[in-house]
Amino acid sequence: DAGVTQSPTHLIKTRGQQVTLRCSPKSGHDTVSWYQQALGQGPQFIFQYYEEEERQRGNFPDRFSGHQFPNYSSELNVNALLLGDSALYLCASSTPLTGEETQYFGPGTRLLVL
Amino acid sequence: KQEVTQIPAALSVPEGENLVLNCSFTDSAIYNLQWFRQDPGKGLTSLLLIQSSQREQTSGRLNASLDKSSGRSTLYIAASQPGDSATYLCAVTSSSNTGKLIFGQGTTLQVKP
Repeated sequence: DAGVTQSPTHLIKTRGQQVTLRCSPKSGHDTVSWYQQALGQGPQFIFQYYEEEERQRGNFPDRFSGHQFPNYSSELNVNALLLGDSALYLCASSTPLTGEETQYFGPGTRLLVL
Repeated sequence: KQEVTQIPAALSVPEGENLVLNCSFTDSAIYNLQWFRQDPGKGLTSLLLIQSSQREQTSGRLNASLDKSSGRSTLYIAASQPGDSATYLCAVTSSSNTGKLIFGQGTTLQVKP
């Protein structure tokens, strides 16, 4: 049973560029959440997708956007990259319908903005 | 606004020692609390999940307690091993928003052989 997968594992971009990160949820999961983790900090909630719609959003600017596909996989897009966007981006999947509340995390994508 | 704090930020102990990690939260209206482990540069692994109606959960050498009224949780690790070295993160979900995890900054544990 495949767990949560993310791609790419590492990425280097320059300021002003755009980036797309990808996530495939754990088998049987239909809800995907994205988190940003700066070095030495705890993860911060970006947004959550369910049934291809953004269900809730954290305190992040509109430069951060996402998408969920019919197969429940998801993308995180960040436009106009800033140095401060350098972080580990974590994807988590869950499925509230079965009552399982644990969110399962992927290995993350390390983004460095130069 | 819910805030989660973990103390200490870092801890170094000799192998075999029992230890306690602390987590506090400001709003007692939580739905559940989870403890995660994170190895350097890696994702998060869920260790224990405690529902708001529960007092503790155990898994192997790990025991997590929850005192919702005082806004505190502890993670007890018995007979620590070098392989326990990692960052431990505490996260809560609120009763009004069960899909969003609010994390503390973590405690980085080093267990010396």
